[in-house]
Amino acid sequence: NAGVTQTPKFRILKIGQSMTLQCAQDMNHNYMYWYRQDPGMGLKLIYYSVGAGITDKGEVPNGYNVSRSTTEDFPLRLELAAPSQTSVYFCASTDPGLRETQYFGPGTRLLVL
Amino acid sequence: DQQVKQNSPSLSVQEGRISILNCDYTNSMFDYFLWYKKYPAEGPTFLISISSIKDKNEDGRFTVFLNKSAKHLSLHIVPSQPGDSAVYFCAASADGGSNYKLTFGKGTLLTVNP
Repeated sequence: NAGVTQTPKFRILKIGQSMTLQCAQDMNHNYMYWYRQDPGMGLKLIYYSVGAGITDKGEVPNGYNVSRSTTEDFPLRLELAAPSQTSVYFCASTDPGLRETQYFGPGTRLLVL
Repeated sequence: DQQVKQNSPSLSVQEGRISILNCDYTNSMFDYFLWYKKYPAEGPTFLISISSIKDKNEDGRFTVFLNKSAKHLSLHIVPSQPGDSAVYFCAASADGGSNYKLTFGKGTLLTVNP
């Protein structure tokens, strides 16, 4: 199993550009999450999904959108990039049998200039 | 308002000694607590967890203690090894099984010196 994979690893965006951060998992987990981590801060939840077709906002959803058309994939969309979205983005997944033990991807580092 | 607090940004210990990382929480609805370890340029990895019905959970060199009345938990690493050098995040959940959301602290950077 590859676990949770994220692409790209690193990206530089100009202000106002858009991009999609990809996340995929091969563990057949129903629950998936997007977090951002700013320097010296903990992980903050952006969006999450409890299954294909079902998404909900987390703590910091403004400026982002998500979709969940399959169990495996959970892309995060930035429509109009702003410097405040410079961060490291982590995707995670879990399943009811695992309780709250989430499995994380390696992260995408995003720089908005 | 931070619901999970790790008040020590960093901790330095000697190899072979005990490392104690602390975490405080304010939300009395939290019923499950986890510790994650993070190396640079990698995602967090699960280390150990504890349910609110317990006060201690042990896994090899790692032990987590929970004091519900004080809303405090701690992670003990004995003996500490240089490979334990990483950022440690405390996380908590209040869901008890609905959508498994976690609230994270800011992390503590542990450095274990040889």
